[in-house]
Amino acid sequence: GIQVEQSPPDLILQEGANSTLRCNFSDSVNNLQWFHQNPWGQLINLFYIPSGTKQNGRLSATTVATERYSLLYISSSQTTDSGVYFCAVGFAGNTPLVFGKGTRLSVIA
Amino acid sequence: SQTIHQWPATLVQPVGSPLSLECTVEGTSNPNLYWYRQAAGRGLQLLFYSVGIGQISSEVPQNLSASRPQDRQFILSSKKLLLSDSGFYLCAWSVQTGGLTQYFGPGTRLLVL
Repeated sequence: GIQVEQSPPDLILQEGANSTLRCNFSDSVNNLQWFHQNPWGQLINLFYIPSGTKQNGRLSATTVATERYSLLYISSSQTTDSGVYFCAVGFAGNTPLVFGKGTRLSVIA
Repeated sequence: SQTIHQWPATLVQPVGSPLSLECTVEGTSNPNLYWYRQAAGRGLQLLFYSVGIGQISSEVPQNLSASRPQDRQFILSSKKLLLSDSGFYLCAWSVQTGGLTQYFGPGTRLLVL
């Protein structure tokens, strides 16, 4: 099956710093999503981005489908950005998403 | 708008006891439904998914089972819990056509003692 690798596994940032999280996947996909799991466990949708670039406030994401990777950018990080960021990929139809193991981000004041 | 509910929020159960976790979705029809488990605060393992009433696909053989008695209701069960069943259980839904964006419920924390 498809493999999803996220890097780095852990990241510690000073408040205000920028960061880039990476997601590599082993096969062509037509569904890619980024999620943020907050410290209380809630998974929040950040982006649905099978290709191209999207921005939402301080967060942006880029997926280069032909090269099988996606990047999540966090600018001017805040302590509320802490948590685990997951990348998940899938195909059309009713097949479930395949999740990476996540990047655990800690933003310290 | 669509919402997804899970209950209970937390549960402490003895080894060997039964389990029933419930997930319901509001504001949409004929959704795909999913059960995931997250252990040790990292990594989501897909347990079951369903594309319709009575249709369940199992991803991992284990001590658990799932049922979908109604269109927007998904139940995770066990007849006898094991210590290894402890974890954070998440339900999710997606539409059956289009982008398949998944939306997650708040989760149930299960501790088996």
